[in-house]
Amino acid sequence: DIVMTQSPATLSVSPGERATLSCRASQSVSSNLAWYQQKPGQAPRLLIYAASTRATGIPAGFSGSGSGTEFTLTISSLQSENFAVYYCQQYNNWPWTFGQGTKVEI
Amino acid sequence: EVQLVESGGGLVQPGGSLRLSCAASGFTFSGYNMNWVRQAPGKGLEWVSYIRSSTDTIYYADSVKGRFTISSNSAKNSLFLQMNSLRDEDTAVYYCARGLGYCANGVCYTIGAFDMWGQGTMVAVSS
Repeated sequence: DIVMTQSPATLSVSPGERATLSCRASQSVSSNLAWYQQKPGQAPRLLIYAASTRATGIPAGFSGSGSGTEFTLTISSLQSENFAVYYCQQYNNWPWTFGQGTKVEI
Repeated sequence: EVQLVESGGGLVQPGGSLRLSCAASGFTFSGYNMNWVRQAPGKGLEWVSYIRSSTDTIYYADSVKGRFTISSNSAKNSLFLQMNSLRDEDTAVYYCARGLGYCANGVCYTIGAFDMWGQGTMVAVSS
């Protein structure tokens, strides 16, 4: 199975600051990578697919980059509603696998 | 309105069975891949199973293979997960999730990024 490793586990950021989240795959997943945001008590929400394409309705402040084994999610200016847990997920190989998540906190 | 609504969760003893359902509305079910994803309390996300009814393609995570069965009814826009021989470690919120679909150059695809999720149904396995 492909292991997805996210770092850091927790990211403490002030409102208005930039946040950079990392995701590493144990082998190449090409660009078949997605990012999700999950708030407490809610289902995850798709932010990015194909490593860098924003999903419908996702603001431009979210951007994804990378390919192969190294990926980054950037939130340009943290707003209060962005404080949540973020997961990466590969869908290049079966079984599809998620990272363990990065919690973005104030 | 485009939505997914799960049902069927509950408390079950180890070794028992449950059948989860997911009712889809607002889109043509057969045009997408559909999945079950679970989340144990306080833990991360785990993909469980996949079905693409138009091609009769099914996959399972190793952790549930041989115990869980995914199925769908395209006419009723419904997804199911039959869970047998349940274990303590199956305790989780179970989400149904739709694989994102898109068309390019006249060909339509459905991929493994999940663009729509239900609200989840809780399964608790305990004696």
